[in-house]
Amino acid sequence: DQQVKQNSPSLSVQEGRISILNCDYTNSMFDYFLWYKKYPAEGPTFLISISSIKDKNEDGRFTVFLNKSAKHLSLHIVPSQPGDSAVYFCAAESGGSYIPTFGRGTSLIVHP
Amino acid sequence: DAGITQSPRHKVTETGTPVTLRCHQTENHRYMYWYRQDPGHGLRLIHYSYGVKDTDKGEVSDGYSVSRSKTEDFLLTLESATSSQTSVYFCAISDPESSYEQYFGPGTRLTVT
Repeated sequence: DQQVKQNSPSLSVQEGRISILNCDYTNSMFDYFLWYKKYPAEGPTFLISISSIKDKNEDGRFTVFLNKSAKHLSLHIVPSQPGDSAVYFCAAESGGSYIPTFGRGTSLIVHP
Repeated sequence: DAGITQSPRHKVTETGTPVTLRCHQTENHRYMYWYRQDPGHGLRLIHYSYGVKDTDKGEVSDGYSVSRSKTEDFLLTLESATSSQTSVYFCAISDPESSYEQYFGPGTRLTVT
């Protein structure tokens, strides 16, 4: 069973608009959440994270929102740029395990 | 960028042959991980290490073994490669004392024919 789900395999957005990538989780023990970005033929790179004691974390154009009651988090990219086109992975960890569980990824395409 | 390399970067091998992939880091991070990435499956953990000679299994460990004799090196071995092990393999490192985030290597594309 998937404990971290990214139900949208792909997302297409116009340059300058907002991109919203969603992630749902089932394990209530998860208390730290991360987003990674992956370009083709490269390894994933860390993008932004959030602890379960917060409901929002912002870093430039990237904001992550956490809704613990719904077990849902989302990554907002505003404004979207063509260089944001990549696969985005959501990951979750619990209790200082340092072993993240990854979702299957969402492929974002930003059209010029 | 974190100092993490993988070798080889590409490999084609035949079914039944042993294969060893190497991950090397220069960051002195305690944790090291091996993942495989397959279409429709995202990143799945194979094995991880939390110190020299300390390793544990991940969710897809069958057919794989690992060794870590030095802090900087983490080896992944396919004892007898099968076509189902055709994949892209990523090594990652993390330093739990400072943050939760992982740093990934560039990946190894392995094809088993």
